Amino acid sequence: KAGVTQTPRYLIKTRGQQVTLSCSPISGHRSVSWYQQTPGQGLQFLFEYFSETQRNKGNFPGRFSGRQFSNSRSEMNVSTLELGDSALYLCASSSWGGANSPLHFGNGTRLTVT
Amino acid sequence: KQEVTQIPAALSVPEGENLVLNCSFTDSAIYNLQWFRQDPGKGLTSLLLIQSSQREQTSGRLNASLDKSSGRSTLYIAASQPGDSATYLCAVRLIEYGGSARQLTFGSGTQLTVLP
Repeated sequence: KAGVTQTPRYLIKTRGQQVTLSCSPISGHRSVSWYQQTPGQGLQFLFEYFSETQRNKGNFPGRFSGRQFSNSRSEMNVSTLELGDSALYLCASSSWGGANSPLHFGNGTRLTVT
Repeated sequence: KQEVTQIPAALSVPEGENLVLNCSFTDSAIYNLQWFRQDPGKGLTSLLLIQSSQREQTSGRLNASLDKSSGRSTLYIAASQPGDSATYLCAVRLIEYGGSARQLTFGSGTQLTVLP
């Protein structure tokens, strides 16, 4: 069974641009969560989607948005990029999104903003 | 606000040694606690999940314990191997008002190096 796939693996953007990251969950999984990982702040929750609906959102500005498609694939978008958005963005999927449902993480997208 | 702390930030041990990683959290109203492993440049791999009603979970050489009343969890690794070298993170999931579960709050991790 294929794991969680995130594309692209690496991205370099300049300030002010926007970026879209993609996540394909494990087949059959309906919940997708996104996390930002930086050396200073560690892992921080961005948002969670379940059956195309945003179920939870972290404390990030409105420049960060996401969506989930009917096939459970998810995208997140960051507009008007800032230097501080440089991070590893991790996507995680779970089968039914219940609290005791184990999370399966992808290898992440490394975003560098110059 | 829930805070999750992991001490030490880094640990280096010789191969074969048994070791304990620590995790503490400030809010005891947790749904569950999970331990993850992260290799450099990679995502997280779930190791163990302990529900709030449980005291410990075991998987192979790994044993995780949970003491909600003191806000502590430990990850015990027996007979460590160089392949265990990675960053270990704990994460707690809080109970919200109404009983639903919130998103995971992560600690900053312990970077473990097992020397051959």
